[in-house]
Amino acid sequence: EDQVTQSPEALRLQEGESSSLNCSYTVSGLRGLFWYRQDPGKGPEFLFTLYSAGEEKEKERLKATLTKKESFLHITAPKPEDSATYLCAATNTNAGKSTFGDGTTLTVKP
Amino acid sequence: DGGITQSPKYLFRKEGQNVTLSCEQNLNHDAMYWYRQDPGQGLRLIYYSQIVNDFQKGDIAEGYSVSREKKESFPLTVTSAQKNPTAFYLCASSSGTGVQPQHFGDGTRLSIL
Repeated sequence: EDQVTQSPEALRLQEGESSSLNCSYTVSGLRGLFWYRQDPGKGPEFLFTLYSAGEEKEKERLKATLTKKESFLHITAPKPEDSATYLCAATNTNAGKSTFGDGTTLTVKP
Repeated sequence: DGGITQSPKYLFRKEGQNVTLSCEQNLNHDAMYWYRQDPGQGLRLIYYSQIVNDFQKGDIAEGYSVSREKKESFPLTVTSAQKNPTAFYLCASSSGTGVQPQHFGDGTRLSIL
């Protein structure tokens, strides 16, 4: 059975304090790993797709990396507006169906 | 501006009542999905459809039903057989070809009266 596990469940940072979120997956034949951001009461918003081990994607203060067993979302010098729940999802098909983790809720204090 | 529209934003269900959640997309996407999200948890797949007039059960389909008569629309009915329907329901779509991310609506919050 495909599984995606995210850690930690919650992370509190001071503004400017860099850190990383972890997404471990057991998905046979991984075709893609997605990262999403979800604000309270809203739907998830797409951030990145990673296709193969060693790949990296960057957007502003966020950088996503992928190995054969896990993915990391690195947050450099975070700001309060980066506070949200970050979800990762893995797919092993071309049919669009993904397995989601439970998310990491990030709070950045000014 | 393309996107996914879910309505209503809030919905209340009485005992023994079926309720239908609306999901419309104008992204010309082939695939559409329904998820349930409970507090502090990730997304669990209820149903998905890769093409008009075809859909498949996800991981938690019991007590739910769907239809896909038009490419743009994928309504979800929460039946009286679903004994714990209180949750946040999210609809998503993707182009359906290749490895593509999903685009989400802003959800419907369903509560029991």
